[in-house]
Amino acid sequence: DQQVKQNSPSLSVQEGRISILNCDYTNSMFDYFLWYKKYPAEGPTFLISISSIKDKNEDGRFTVFLNKSAKHLSLHIVPSQPGDSAVYFCAATHSGTYKYIFGTGTRLKVLA
Amino acid sequence: DTAVSQTPKYLVTQMGNDKSIKCEQNLGHDTMYWYKQDSKKFLKIMFSYNNKELIINETVPNRFSPKSPDKAHLNLHINSLELGDSAVYFCASSRSDRVKYNEQFFGPGTRLTVL
Repeated sequence: DQQVKQNSPSLSVQEGRISILNCDYTNSMFDYFLWYKKYPAEGPTFLISISSIKDKNEDGRFTVFLNKSAKHLSLHIVPSQPGDSAVYFCAATHSGTYKYIFGTGTRLKVLA
Repeated sequence: DTAVSQTPKYLVTQMGNDKSIKCEQNLGHDTMYWYKQDSKKFLKIMFSYNNKELIINETVPNRFSPKSPDKAHLNLHINSLELGDSAVYFCASSRSDRVKYNEQFFGPGTRLTVL
């Protein structure tokens, strides 16, 4: 039972345009969500997070949107750069647990 | 000045062997994790230790035994390796602040291939 889903395995975007990566979850107990970025042969690195009490969090070119009623979050990257080409994982957790559930990732390719 | 390090980076071994993967973090974190990323790219938690105490133990075969000698180290020992154990294993660490959530810092991964 996959509680966090990233239904798009890959995405290609032109440099300078917006990249939108999507993530859906099923567990209504989740109250904290994170995005990680992963380059080949490296471990995931933390990018941005959002608490369920917010619907938006912004950090530079990266913005995460949370729609609790739809159990959906998205990561926007504007403008996209070739160095953003990586696999992006969303993850979710809830209070009282150290357990983070990860999606299967979306491979983003930013074309120069 | 690597934050979370794992050794070895690659491990190729025969079925039935016993092997260990070591993990060390120099971030001063008190919670450490082992994740398995299988061929379908699922990143699934296996174990978590907080202050050397086991706090998460997912339905992992008991051939897998984590050991935390101190807060900075979490090793993974695997007995009687099977073909299905082939995967990339990631170690991670985080602070465990009761007030707020904390992101995890991951090691570079260990690619285990069982022949």
